[in-house]
Amino acid sequence: AQTVTQSQPEMSVQEAETVTLSCTYDTSENNYYLFWYKQPPSRQMILVIRQEAYKQQNATENRFSVNFQKAAKSFSLKISDSQLGDTAMYFCAFMSEGTYKYIFGTGTRLKVLA
Amino acid sequence: DAGITQSPRHKVTETGTPVTLRCHQTENHRYMYWYRQDPGHGLRLIHYSYGVKDTDKGEVSDGYSVSRSKTEDFLLTLESATSSQTSVYFCASQRESGANVLTFGAGSRLTVL
Repeated sequence: AQTVTQSQPEMSVQEAETVTLSCTYDTSENNYYLFWYKQPPSRQMILVIRQEAYKQQNATENRFSVNFQKAAKSFSLKISDSQLGDTAMYFCAFMSEGTYKYIFGTGTRLKVLA
Repeated sequence: DAGITQSPRHKVTETGTPVTLRCHQTENHRYMYWYRQDPGHGLRLIHYSYGVKDTDKGEVSDGYSVSRSKTEDFLLTLESATSSQTSVYFCASQRESGANVLTFGAGSRLTVL
């Protein structure tokens, strides 16, 4: 069975600094998708970034980028120039192609300090 | 954009009573999901649906049942609520093709006394 592990329950970062959130996963599949979702205090889940396993290039969305290491089964999220609005719970998620079942990690609570 | 709405948003009930949470989507998405969110556990899949009348169990399905009689509606039922089912429940949906991105509802907070 696939698993997703987020080993950092809580993190904090100063405004304008850079922070990296870790995620590792376990699977025997070769084709899959990885995601980072953000859950602000409003509780609404928002997609931050997605990565297709067959793509070598790391995904980037403005200040958010990933470091995808397929052999190591690692998928970390880097937030550059952190803003107060980045304060949220961040979830890493995995989906094996064709299954349409998403497995989530336990989350990392990020606090951006002014 | 009101792609997915959940109702009720908040509910307090007593142990042993039945509870139904409703999820309604206007996206014509084929796939729908129910998750529960608990501290230290993240989001755990309860049940999901891959079409009208087609459902399957997730990792924490005991004590829950679902039904999907129309594409747009996915109901989650707790036949006899227990205190361990106190949680925040999220519905999500996804279309059949494309970017494989989940669209979430706003969540339903259920408290079982």
